[in-house]
Amino acid sequence: GNSVTQMEGPVTLSEEAFLTINCTYTATGYPSLFWYVQYPGEGLQLLLKATKADDKGSNKGFEATYRKETTSFHLEKGSVQVSDSAVYFCVHGAGSYQLTFGKGTKLSVIP
Amino acid sequence: NAGVTQTPKFRVLKTGQSMTLLCAQDMNHEYMYWYRQDPGMGLRLIHYSVGEGTTAKGEVPDGYNVSRLKKQNFLLGLESAAPSQTSVYFCASNKGFASDQETQYFGPGTRLLVL
Repeated sequence: GNSVTQMEGPVTLSEEAFLTINCTYTATGYPSLFWYVQYPGEGLQLLLKATKADDKGSNKGFEATYRKETTSFHLEKGSVQVSDSAVYFCVHGAGSYQLTFGKGTKLSVIP
Repeated sequence: NAGVTQTPKFRVLKTGQSMTLLCAQDMNHEYMYWYRQDPGMGLRLIHYSVGEGTTAKGEVPDGYNVSRLKKQNFLLGLESAAPSQTSVYFCASNKGFASDQETQYFGPGTRLLVL
């Protein structure tokens, strides 16, 4: 079946540090890939998405590139802020309406 | 435009009690979902609906029932609550299958504690 593996947290960084959260997936076909973010006490929000190989999704300074050859969709940001503290989920949608979620990575950014 | 709303926000139940969680969306979305979120588990799909009057089982359906009598509403019922159902429940919806329609929009969640 489909699965998503993302790096386990928690991750603690100082403000302005570089962020990478690794994500790999197994799936048949050509899934769309997403990163969702969950701020404390809130529901999940779409952060970015990519729908085909080599696509780069970007939003709020975050980027992720759909790498079919390595089945990866790593999330990066060049300079994190305290307001980026949240839980980040790597997700894939295997061409259907059902999503498969990673377990989430909690990021804490300290001033 | 409220998006996806959920009621209640928080509830405490005793074992064996029943309750219904309500999800409403005002985006005219066809597909709706109920997930539960537990520590270290990510989100797991309980039930989903691909249109008014339809429902289907997800990954963890046992102990839950759902109904979609109106397109904008998706109800999740617990007939006899158990402590294992203590969780945070999220509702989500999306427009359709196409790549520009598959993004799911989430409600703020319902925190349920079963004693």
